[in-house]
Amino acid sequence: ETGVTQTPRHLVMGMTNKKSLKCEQHLGHNAMYWYKQSAKKPLELMFVYSLEERVENNSVPSRFSPECPNSSHLFLHLHTLQPEDSALYLCASSQDKLAGSTDTQYFGPGTRLTVL
Amino acid sequence: AQKVTQAQTEISVVEKEDVTLDCVYETRDTTYYLFWYKQPPSGELVFLIRRNSFDEQNEISGRYSWNFQKSTSSFNFTITASQVVDSAVYFCALSEARSGGSNYKLTFGKGTLLTVNP
Repeated sequence: ETGVTQTPRHLVMGMTNKKSLKCEQHLGHNAMYWYKQSAKKPLELMFVYSLEERVENNSVPSRFSPECPNSSHLFLHLHTLQPEDSALYLCASSQDKLAGSTDTQYFGPGTRLTVL
Repeated sequence: AQKVTQAQTEISVVEKEDVTLDCVYETRDTTYYLFWYKQPPSGELVFLIRRNSFDEQNEISGRYSWNFQKSTSSFNFTITASQVVDSAVYFCALSEARSGGSNYKLTFGKGTLLTVNP
């Protein structure tokens, strides 16, 4: 496997279900991200992990719960979602460098989530 | 605050035509980075290019070229001799350089859907 992989690619769930999205990066990076892409909206950054610590949480509802057990894996745990949470969820990774720089983020193929 | 505007929501061209995708950005920082990503129907965002604010040289990569103009805050993307495989949504993005604290924020434009017809 190369790059950033995400599973599952498609997920349909009811509002009372609990599910998890998985992301794995094979690039040796130390930062990982979750984004939400809804129709007709710009990509929204949800969470950022650097060196396995959460460094950003953009006012995301608590029904979304991220987990980063190591620098290669990132999960997004979902519970009691709403239909408006239906979207493409994208994972990305980058190599965290020194201050004064910025890092190119490399994206996975996404998980298309439908909440019924 | 950062902002990226891609005024063209959709563009449709015929194969072999040249096409330019516009990107205009706003930032208060003097050091920043600009990106273009391609999102084919499969969904993955594919990284195309990254430029820093101190490098205004235009870049060419095969049929792709980028025109960075600080004077007009624009970072336009041209595809020469377009092909059907170029059909995708293209996103322009902006990131400010981190200074001390962490700044991982990529601000994306809304994207331009390019359709190349045979």
